[in-house]
Amino acid sequence: SAVISQKPSRDICQRGTSLTIQCQVDSQVTMMFWYRQQPGQSLTLIATANQGSEATYESGFVIDKFPISRPNLTFSTLTVSNMSPEDSSIYLCSVGPGGRAFFGQGTRLTVV
Amino acid sequence: RKEVEQDPGPFNVPEGATVAFNCTYSNSASQSFFWYRQDCRKEPKLLMSVYSSGNEDGRFTAQLNRASQYISLLIRDSKLSDSATYLCVVNGNYGQNFVFGPGTRLSVLP
Repeated sequence: SAVISQKPSRDICQRGTSLTIQCQVDSQVTMMFWYRQQPGQSLTLIATANQGSEATYESGFVIDKFPISRPNLTFSTLTVSNMSPEDSSIYLCSVGPGGRAFFGQGTRLTVV
Repeated sequence: RKEVEQDPGPFNVPEGATVAFNCTYSNSASQSFFWYRQDCRKEPKLLMSVYSSGNEDGRFTAQLNRASQYISLLIRDSKLSDSATYLCVVNGNYGQNFVFGPGTRLSVLP
């Protein structure tokens, strides 16, 4: 299993600003995943973060909007840049050791 | 076609009822299958893995039919605490990331 500490748990941000979300894992993992869950929807994968290389983004998500850092095997950040109200969502980081997905507590973002 | 599809729900059932959720997936190369539970305003948590032979955990039974690319979850003797959204999850392109179904919401009523 894995324990993930994600912060902040929630934030209210002004449009046009940026927010960086952090995830710390209690063990070393090769890949970390960032998901978005819009209100009433399921999880959509934003990108996969590998240590030492650029993140791999899914269709519809770009690095300029969602830059990701992965400085080591236990930590990653996701930045939501130049926010608009459409970015209001829950953002979740995840790891998959042993073939099972474990999640951080999520960041509930509201853009006003 | 979405990669993972589920019963649209919501399901409203009385306590003690038996309820079944269905899920289909499109990627025949998928190897791992799971049911997750997500409570309101919480992160998803693993309920159970799904194995080809079928598996049971207390009141919960999961079945997998690879030929039909179909997964099911049966909940017997449902409790109020079973109220949640149930997510069907299949492993994705990288073998470690996961594709989530849209979820089926269950409300168990007193």
